[in-house]
Amino acid sequence: EAAVTQSPRNKVAVTGGKVTLSCNQTNNHNNMYWYRQDTGHGLRLIHYSYGAGSTEKGDIPDGYKASRPSQENFSLILELATPSQTSVYFCASATSSAETLYFGSGTRLTVL
Amino acid sequence: QQQVRQSPQSLTVWEGETAILNCSYEDSTFDYFPWYHQFPGESPALLIAIRPVSNKKEDGRFTIFFNKREKKFSLHIADSQPGDSATYFCAASPDTGYQNFYFGKGTSLTVIP
Repeated sequence: EAAVTQSPRNKVAVTGGKVTLSCNQTNNHNNMYWYRQDTGHGLRLIHYSYGAGSTEKGDIPDGYKASRPSQENFSLILELATPSQTSVYFCASATSSAETLYFGSGTRLTVL
Repeated sequence: QQQVRQSPQSLTVWEGETAILNCSYEDSTFDYFPWYHQFPGESPALLIAIRPVSNKKEDGRFTIFFNKREKKFSLHIADSQPGDSATYFCAASPDTGYQNFYFGKGTSLTVIP
């Protein structure tokens, strides 16, 4: 079964601080994604990647950067965190045919 | 712009009834339509999916009905059980080779024993 691990599980940050959310997958999937989940909005795509070294903007990329240094790792970076970025963040991976997204357990981020 | 619209936002049914969740989309390039479910405190997981070459896909008590002309698809959960209580998300993806998924806002389903 696909394994996607996110860290940390919970994070409290201060406004203006830098936050890095990490994701690791051990399934050799080419595609990786970062979503945020908010009540009333469902899952919204922030950034995604086709493979090591690639990052692409999703639907709501403003205020976020992404990094894919290797096949296994995909990070989401908030350079200047704001309270509006308080949310639950999910990382997901999929093969190139991408018929199934495998989600990590999520990171609950609170920006005070 | 909401690519995929989902209704109702919440749904309550009695055990044994059929729950019907609805979605619609605008982009005719969408080629793949999965449904994910998410139990409280857990992450979303794929439940069932359909491609428009077919207008129906069954997996046990779960059935997707697809109407390409009207750009609508629905999930029917037959003989609903309390264990089906969860949030259900429909999604759509274009056949572009990299599969960017657009999710609906979700339906919170409660099944009363």
